[in-house]
Amino acid sequence: DSGVTQTPKHLITATGQRVTLRCSPRSGDLSVYWYQQSLDQGLQFLIQYYNGEERAKGNILERFSAQQFPDLHSELNLSSLELGDSALYFCASSVDLRMGYGYTFGSGTRLTVV
Amino acid sequence: AQKVTQAQTEISVVEKEDVTLDCVYETRDTTYYLFWYKQPPSGELVFLIRRNSFDEQNEISGRYSWNFQKSTSSFNFTITASQVVDSAVYFCALSGAGSQGNLIFGKGTKLSVKP
Repeated sequence: DSGVTQTPKHLITATGQRVTLRCSPRSGDLSVYWYQQSLDQGLQFLIQYYNGEERAKGNILERFSAQQFPDLHSELNLSSLELGDSALYFCASSVDLRMGYGYTFGSGTRLTVV
Repeated sequence: AQKVTQAQTEISVVEKEDVTLDCVYETRDTTYYLFWYKQPPSGELVFLIRRNSFDEQNEISGRYSWNFQKSTSSFNFTITASQVVDSAVYFCALSGAGSQGNLIFGKGTKLSVKP
């Protein structure tokens, strides 16, 4: 157990729908990162939060949004889902923002859009 | 721009063979970190190693070893005496200055170790 908890583990939904993925960081970690792993794009950074504030954005679609709550858990909201959004979504957490500090990944949420 | 290239898409070896996974990176940063992660069939990402740009010492951990060469911008990973349990996708990743810790991943190398 990495200490980073992601729920749900699997999610199947229809096109056009909206889903919320949840991440609880490792105890003591203030920074949360979201990554998407798809067959065509590989592993891509989506967005990062540190202590409740958005700190960096990667290749995140406008249909996607995220937030980090006061208890430090984070949610990734995906709306108007398309078939191409089917992917494995990882959350990672780190105690610090500093480059190279290293972080721990959760086990991922596998999203299937049908 | 930062980039990580893992030219080997798939490698297949027989148990007990040694295998080297290549990783070439591009960055203009003088300070950066390199990582290797393992993704077994179960899907989770398992951290293997982190190396900073100022430490070119090779590292060995059991059957795993890493060779970092700044001159060729490479950070290769060797598994000695491979085992079936080593079958997984291996990712090399880069984190540079100003990245706020975000990782740039290579496309991964799928390693199949056959008994």
